[in-house]
Amino acid sequence: NAGVTQTPKFQVLKTGQSMTLQCAQDMNHNSMYWYRQDPGMGLRLIYYSASEGTTDKGEVPNGYNVSRLNKREFSLRLESAAPSQTSVYFCASSEEGGAWETQYFGPGTRLLVL
Amino acid sequence: QKEVEQDPGPLSVPEGAIVSLNCTYSNSAFQYFMWYRQYSRKGPELLMYTYSSGNKEDGRFTAQVDKSSKYISLFIRDSQPSDSATYLCAMEAQGAQKLVFGQGTRLTINP
Repeated sequence: NAGVTQTPKFQVLKTGQSMTLQCAQDMNHNSMYWYRQDPGMGLRLIYYSASEGTTDKGEVPNGYNVSRLNKREFSLRLESAAPSQTSVYFCASSEEGGAWETQYFGPGTRLLVL
Repeated sequence: QKEVEQDPGPLSVPEGAIVSLNCTYSNSAFQYFMWYRQYSRKGPELLMYTYSSGNKEDGRFTAQVDKSSKYISLFIRDSQPSDSATYLCAMEAQGAQKLVFGQGTRLTINP
């Protein structure tokens, strides 16, 4: 039982390049989330998926797209990376998305955009 | 103005001290209050959860919520070097399906 896994762990991109961050969970959770974490800003929600087949914008969705490929996997795509997207990205999941539930986080992907 | 404000620290205290971490918020709809702990280069993990106002205790940790003042606290008694981490408060309104996090406070417990 690996919990939430993310790939890659670290990535360097040049401005304008694209990439996809992968996330998978093996806890049979319905809800999945993508956050970014920047110094002094805490965790900010980019997109979330309440269930397979649905996605919704969070606080900072601009410049990102997501795909809920199936119940296990939720990917985050940067179509044209910008230096402002340099950050640590965390994927999380919870059983049903209820406020009373624990969100389980992956280990993060560190992204540097030059 | 951010919905949730948290002093980023850093906060450094000697082993055995009582630590107080705090957050204030502006959204009166928040009903669910959490504290997450994040070790360096790891993802956050849930430490404490409280619904509405009141206190909750779990071992050396106590979470307090004062909804009238829009203020929450986490107390750590008999602090240990293993408590050194970043502590993030998080809140959610009923039915919102979205957590709002504070900036996180970096805590170091010195042996």
